[in-house]
Amino acid sequence: SQQGEEDPQALSIQEGENATMNCSYKTSINNLQWYRQNSGRGLVHLILIRSNEREKHSGRLRVTLDTSKKSSSLLITASRAADTASYFCATVTDSWGKFQFGAGTQVVVTP
Amino acid sequence: DGGITQSPKYLFRKEGQNVTLSCEQNLNHDAMYWYRQDPGQGLRLIYYSQIVNDFQKGDIAEGYSVSREKKESFPLTVTSAQKNPTAFYLCASAGTSGSGFTGELFFGEGSRLTVL
Repeated sequence: SQQGEEDPQALSIQEGENATMNCSYKTSINNLQWYRQNSGRGLVHLILIRSNEREKHSGRLRVTLDTSKKSSSLLITASRAADTASYFCATVTDSWGKFQFGAGTQVVVTP
Repeated sequence: DGGITQSPKYLFRKEGQNVTLSCEQNLNHDAMYWYRQDPGQGLRLIYYSQIVNDFQKGDIAEGYSVSREKKESFPLTVTSAQKNPTAFYLCASAGTSGSGFTGELFFGEGSRLTVL
């Protein structure tokens, strides 16, 4: 069963705009991670946020985590056409646990 | 360069045939994983291995088998018992320390299997 559920399923924006996507999960986690996948390729890790952290930044990425609501959000600021991809959240429920992925948000950034 | 190599990238199989997908990593990672991805869907865990000579079933292990005889290698066999094997298969690895995972998953470029 999938632990994380992303919302929205798809997002279409123009270059320069911000893109926000959300991830909800069901059980307590050790950490939550966001990945990016270009069409037909493998996933690439973007950012990891631990259960005791509330916000994290990496370049144009900002991730928040609300453990009381069991949700996380990924914000991509000043989007570029090269940001077009699918974005997945993955939860890790304990130190040796399995990574569980959501269904992803497909983001299209038009020039 | 360090990374994960999956082969073949594309594979066609007739019904009733077993096929083996290769996954090799030179990242010195203990943990390795196989995921299946269907169009428009997320990743579903097939098998994972935290250490050599040990592996566990994931959420959709039926019709698949794996081995972990070497740290670097984690091949996946899609058997004829898998009813709907056409999918994109992704292999991944993760570093570990004495207290668990050290961070993120590193993925290969995937193998696309089509059953004719």
